[in-house]
Amino acid sequence: QVQLKETGPDLVQLTQTLSITCTVSGFSLTTYNVHWVRQPPGKGLEWMGAMWNGGGTDYNSAFKSRLSISRDTSKSQVFLKMNSLQTDDTAKYFCARHHYYDGYSYFDYWGQGVMVTVSS
Amino acid sequence: DIQMTQSPASLSASLGETVTIECRASEDIYNGLAWYQQKPGKSPQLLIYNANSLHTGVPSRFSGSGSGTQYSLKINSLQSEDVASYFCQQYYNYPLTFGSGTKLEIK
Repeated sequence: QVQLKETGPDLVQLTQTLSITCTVSGFSLTTYNVHWVRQPPGKGLEWMGAMWNGGGTDYNSAFKSRLSISRDTSKSQVFLKMNSLQTDDTAKYFCARHHYYDGYSYFDYWGQGVMVTVSS
Repeated sequence: DIQMTQSPASLSASLGETVTIECRASEDIYNGLAWYQQKPGKSPQLLIYNANSLHTGVPSRFSGSGSGTQYSLKINSLQSEDVASYFCQQYYNYPLTFGSGTKLEIK
């Protein structure tokens, strides 16, 4: 069955770099896109960026040049890396499978998320 | 960026009631809208896409409607398991953007 699982640190120091891995199973990264979405505690959802099935990427400009998404298809893994972390980057970070066809686009499977706290 | 304004922020209703959550886009999104349910401590789950298409396995008491800039999610015959936060999300244009959420509680 389709599964996504995020692994990463619970705590990151201010100004340091966050690295999270999303390991997927039940589908191929060359068939489906995987996106990253984050959610600060008690708040809403924010789209961060995408790894397209063809290997390209897209980013929310809100993250400027801080964010990088990559993948290793042989390991079925998608990586998020974000530098210069600030306290308002404290959030739960989700990876989600993006389903796109006939103009319909939605996230049909999500990981359980990893809660990251940025500490000074 | 397309702004999604969702209302109300919170909602309290009795079991068996019908509730409606609204979402307004800052520009026409041509039905490019999805609704998600997020239960406490869990990840979001897809309910509706294309503004009115029910995702596989979602109970038929959930329905979506709307067009242009105005969309709504209706839940008929409210059940205790519907306690959750609900988010709209537009996919007409990137960056993808979400509404701020509606927290639904049972009265």
